[in-house]
Amino acid sequence: AQSVTQLGSHVSVSEGALVLLRCNYSSSVPPYLFWYVQYPNQGLQLLLKYTTGATLVKGINGFEAEFKKSETSFHLTKPSAHMSDAAEYFCAVSAWGNQFYFGTGTSLTVIP
Amino acid sequence: KAGVTQTPRYLIKTRGQQVTLSCSPISGHRSVSWYQQTPGQGLQFLFEYFSETQRNKGNFPGRFSGRQFSNSRSEMNVSTLELGDSALYLCASSLGGGPTGETQYFGPGTRLLVL
Repeated sequence: AQSVTQLGSHVSVSEGALVLLRCNYSSSVPPYLFWYVQYPNQGLQLLLKYTTGATLVKGINGFEAEFKKSETSFHLTKPSAHMSDAAEYFCAVSAWGNQFYFGTGTSLTVIP
Repeated sequence: KAGVTQTPRYLIKTRGQQVTLSCSPISGHRSVSWYQQTPGQGLQFLFEYFSETQRNKGNFPGRFSGRQFSNSRSEMNVSTLELGDSALYLCASSLGGGPTGETQYFGPGTRLLVL
């Protein structure tokens, strides 16, 4: 069975500070992992994904995530937060088939 | 390339009515998935269609149904609406050719309010 846990439903950071959003997954098969961002009244936009190969994945808008199999984690980071990063972030795992299992989301607030 | 489009964007219905939502996938994408997003339950998978066939199904009652047409456009229908069906309904499309790991591209959603 597949599942995703996002620690911290709300995260606040100061503008320019490091952003760290946590995601742990459970999967009975090698997982494919995704991070999506959702702005108010919009759908989900892909930030980055891990399938195979390099465990450090770079995405759009300066975000990156590292797949750590031993820790079953796929945390999202950005070195310096920008006001425009304020949004809801979702981690998802996909195993067999096209069904995605999403975490409950983390709302990121950026303080000026 | 045009993205995933969903119509209508907003909908208000009353309890007991039925509703049909529409989704047009990205050109060339053959898989369409539907999700329900609510503040309490988050994003929950409804079903996935590929080549006009339901390939995966989530844990929702039979009041929720869908279909896919030969041009890959998809509709979902909710009959006998309940207050708890108020949600943002998201459609996502992908190429659908691979067994797993394909990126899903999401539409803007249809916000349904049931009174």
